[in-house]
Amino acid sequence: EAQVTQNPRYLITVTGKKLTVTCSQNMNHEYMSWYRQDPGLGLRQIYYSMNVEVTDKGDVPEGYKVSRKEKRNFPLILESPSPNQTSLYFCASSRASREQFFGPGTRLTVL
Amino acid sequence: GENVEQHPSTLSVQEGDSAVIKCTYSDSASNYFPWYKQELGKRPQLIIDIRSNVGEKKDQRIAVTLNKTAKHFSLHITETQPEDSAVYFCAASIWAAGNKLTFGGGTRVLVKP
Repeated sequence: EAQVTQNPRYLITVTGKKLTVTCSQNMNHEYMSWYRQDPGLGLRQIYYSMNVEVTDKGDVPEGYKVSRKEKRNFPLILESPSPNQTSLYFCASSRASREQFFGPGTRLTVL
Repeated sequence: GENVEQHPSTLSVQEGDSAVIKCTYSDSASNYFPWYKQELGKRPQLIIDIRSNVGEKKDQRIAVTLNKTAKHFSLHITETQPEDSAVYFCAASIWAAGNKLTFGGGTRVLVKP
C-alpha cells in the first residue's frame, strides 16, 4: 500500500529535550516536506527536500533541522524544543510540484 | 515570498446550496494552485488543482477558477452534501521550481442538513 508514515503519532516532552520525528514514504517520491498546522494559521511549510541531500527552508524553519540521507526518509529534528513548537506536524511526499501525499500527523506538546 | 490569503474562515451552508471559497496570492510567478480538504482528525487530501495556463477546471460538483490578472482563485462546491463538511485549504506554488508550497489559512465549511 502506497503511504507516508510518521512516528511517533503523539509526543509530550519538556523544553530543551532533543527529539526526532521520523517520516518515511514508499512511493519513490523525490520531494518531501514538513508542515506544521496551528489553528487559524493553516499549514505552514517548515522545510522541504527535492532529493537526497537537497533540502531548503520553507516559511517557518527556525528551531528545526532536517536531513535527507535516503530517498524514502525525511526526519524532522528539534534540537531544543520550546513551548511555541507545540503543534500538529505533517510530513508529505510528492513527485515534482504535484499532489502532496500527507502522513497521518504527529501531535507534539512541549511543556 | 509568497503570501496566500483565504476567505472566509468559516462558512455555513444549507445542504444543496453552493459554497464558494476565495483565495488571493501575492507572487505573480506562482502558477500552480491546489486545493486540499481536511476532514476532522484526518490528513489533508488533494481535491482539485489548476495550473495558470487554464482559467477553470471542473470535477463533478467541485470547480476551481483562476484570475491571473487579479491574482485570485476560487473553489466552488455545488449541491453541497453533509460529507462536504471539512476544512478546505488553498495553496500556491511555482510549478517545476521545487516543492515550495504556501497555504492559505483554511476555511471551515459546515453543511447543515
